[in-house]
Amino acid sequence: KAGVTQTPRYLIKTRGQQVTLSCSPISGHRSVSWYQQTPGQGLQFLFEYFSETQRNKGNFPGRFSGRQFSNSRSEMNVSTLELGDSALYLCASSLWEDTQYFGPGTRLTVL
Amino acid sequence: EDQVTQSPEALRLQEGESSSLNCSYTVSGLRGLFWYRQDPGKGPEFLFTLYSAGEEKEKERLKATLTKKESFLHITAPKPEDSATYLCAVLPAQTSGSRLTFGEGTQLTVNP
Repeated sequence: KAGVTQTPRYLIKTRGQQVTLSCSPISGHRSVSWYQQTPGQGLQFLFEYFSETQRNKGNFPGRFSGRQFSNSRSEMNVSTLELGDSALYLCASSLWEDTQYFGPGTRLTVL
Repeated sequence: EDQVTQSPEALRLQEGESSSLNCSYTVSGLRGLFWYRQDPGKGPEFLFTLYSAGEEKEKERLKATLTKKESFLHITAPKPEDSATYLCAVLPAQTSGSRLTFGEGTQLTVNP
C-alpha cells in the first residue's frame, strides 16, 4: 500500500509570496492533518480535514489555509510568506480518529 | 492545556547498552498515546499506539509502556541504526478528530 505522498519536497520562496503544498493520503484514509515542524517549536498542529470539511484548527494566523478534495487529497496554502514560515510542513492521514501516518514533508525556505 | 514533556532531550548510548526514554503527559482524558521515530529531514515513522494504562507493545528492540501519567520507550541492546529522534504525542479525549499534541522529542545516538 502506498504511503502518504507530498509535493513538492523542497521549495524556496521570497517574503510576500504565496505557496501551495499538496498531500495525497493513504488510499482509503479520509482524515488529513497538517503540521509545521521547526527546530524551536517542534511539531505544531495546523489543521485537519475530514470528508472535505475542516474538523480542527490550530493556533496559526489566517494566512495559513487548507482544503480537501472529494478524493481526500489535500492542499495547504500560505499567503504573504514571512521568514518565520520556513519549516518542514508535514501531512498525515488516518482512517478515522486514530493512528496518523506521516508523509516525507515539504521543506519550505523563505528568503 | 494539554502538555507533553519528553526526557532526556538527548541520549548517547553505546551499541548494546539498554535504556529508556520518558514521555510525561498532562491531558484531560487520553484517547491514545503515540510513539514515532523521525530521521533527519524525513517525516515521522509510526511505531506504537497505546490506549490505556498498563498496556505494553513491542517491536524488535523497542517496547512501549503506558501509565496514567507517562509512557516509556524501552530500547534493548540498541544498534547504530536505532539512532533517530523519538517523538511522543497524545490524542486528548475531549477533542474530536485527530489533533495530536507532540513532545519536543528525544534525540538518540547509538555509537558502534
